[in-house]
Amino acid sequence: GQQLNQSPQSMFIQEGEDVSMNCTSSSIFNTWLWYKQDPGEGPVLLIALYKAGELTSNGRLTAQFGITRKDSFLNISASIPSDVGIYFCAGRHQTGANNLFFGTGTRLTVIP
Amino acid sequence: GAGVSQSPSNKVTEKGKDVELRCDPISGHTALYWYRQSLGQGLEFLIYFQGNSAPDKSGLPSDRFSAERTGGSVSTLTIQRTQQEDSAVYLCASSLMRLLLHGIQGSQETQYFGPGTRLLVL
Repeated sequence: GQQLNQSPQSMFIQEGEDVSMNCTSSSIFNTWLWYKQDPGEGPVLLIALYKAGELTSNGRLTAQFGITRKDSFLNISASIPSDVGIYFCAGRHQTGANNLFFGTGTRLTVIP
Repeated sequence: GAGVSQSPSNKVTEKGKDVELRCDPISGHTALYWYRQSLGQGLEFLIYFQGNSAPDKSGLPSDRFSAERTGGSVSTLTIQRTQQEDSAVYLCASSLMRLLLHGIQGSQETQYFGPGTRLLVL
């Protein structure tokens, strides 16, 4: 199945630093989602984006739906140790479509 | 608990054996999804159930894979004659489908994931 191009694959940052990761696709998406997955757990939704150009924040997290509808980014400000985990982007081609296409993930390590 | 639960949490089986994985969605959620996550990869859509509608099986990788959802609640994913490449984490998610009245964006939903079943085929 299709997978989104997500980068970077992994990041090692100092506590307090800001983080940015992004996803790109060769096709248009109508919905972009960002999930976080902790070890041994299922993904948890962080932010959902439904309109091109939309910028949405959730605490220290900010995500944007690219104008071209082929990309999205997630920023984490002032990182803390509990931000450690794998972050996945996911997209849906059509409104009401059943399946999500997931990126390959960005593994974030925060060094105290 | 109030979340999605899956069982077993881990399963080790021999190549060629059949396995059944179970998912208990959040009560009241009408939509249920199965995904597969291979090591170091993102999630791969397998199958989707919505109410009493025919399931969307477009993501099932082969006819060895099948799934049922009885009574609109619990779902089982069955893998017959398992192969080593079936080794992965199998994740279930459920959601409460909500339709926007004006239909501009169709449906929006939040999928809540279970912890997954880690399947190892020897």
